[in-house]
Amino acid sequence: DAGVTQSPTHLIKTRGQHVTLRCSPISGHKSVSWYQQVLGQGPQFIFQYYEKEERGRGNFPDRFSARQFPNYSSELNVNALLLGDSALYLCASSLSGTRQETQYFGPGTRLLVL
Amino acid sequence: DAKTTQPPSMDCAEGRAANLPCNHSTISGNEYVYWYRQIHSQGPQYIIHGLKNNETNEMASLIITEDRKSSTLILPHATLRDTAVYYCIVMSGGTSYGKLTFGQGTILTVHP
Repeated sequence: DAGVTQSPTHLIKTRGQHVTLRCSPISGHKSVSWYQQVLGQGPQFIFQYYEKEERGRGNFPDRFSARQFPNYSSELNVNALLLGDSALYLCASSLSGTRQETQYFGPGTRLLVL
Repeated sequence: DAKTTQPPSMDCAEGRAANLPCNHSTISGNEYVYWYRQIHSQGPQYIIHGLKNNETNEMASLIITEDRKSSTLILPHATLRDTAVYYCIVMSGGTSYGKLTFGQGTILTVHP
């Protein structure tokens, strides 16, 4: 079975631009979570979606938004990019996203903001 | 959110057991302990998790102390491919969702 997939693998943007990152969960998983990992640190929680509804949000500005589609895939959008948004963006999927369930991560999208 | 404390780095000889400690003294009763590892900035790989009992799977064993304030991940026969950053994480979040709160992790280096 395919694992979590993310696209694109790498992306270069300039300050002020907008970016959209995509994630497809493991088949049968209905919850998607997004994490940001800046160089040298552990991943930080951004959002969790389940059945197209946002169920949790980390300490990130409103420039970050996400949505989930009927097929449970998800998009992460970041507006007005800053240099500090350069990071590895990780998507994780789980059956329903509760704390008893394991989250499985994709390979990530590496974003560089110049 | 409960925080975890791990040593920044550890070494292990190939073929020997690697014992990675983690302190989570503020963990609450309904929070799970998860272990993930990350190799060369790939996506984190799930290893094992537990609530209060010791757990074992094909990759590792997890020993949780009776008071749940600390745990140890055991890789029974470490190989060079086990070199990675190992994260001990408490799964927290609201009543309906879980979020992984990563710390700095432990860089495990397995040497020949």
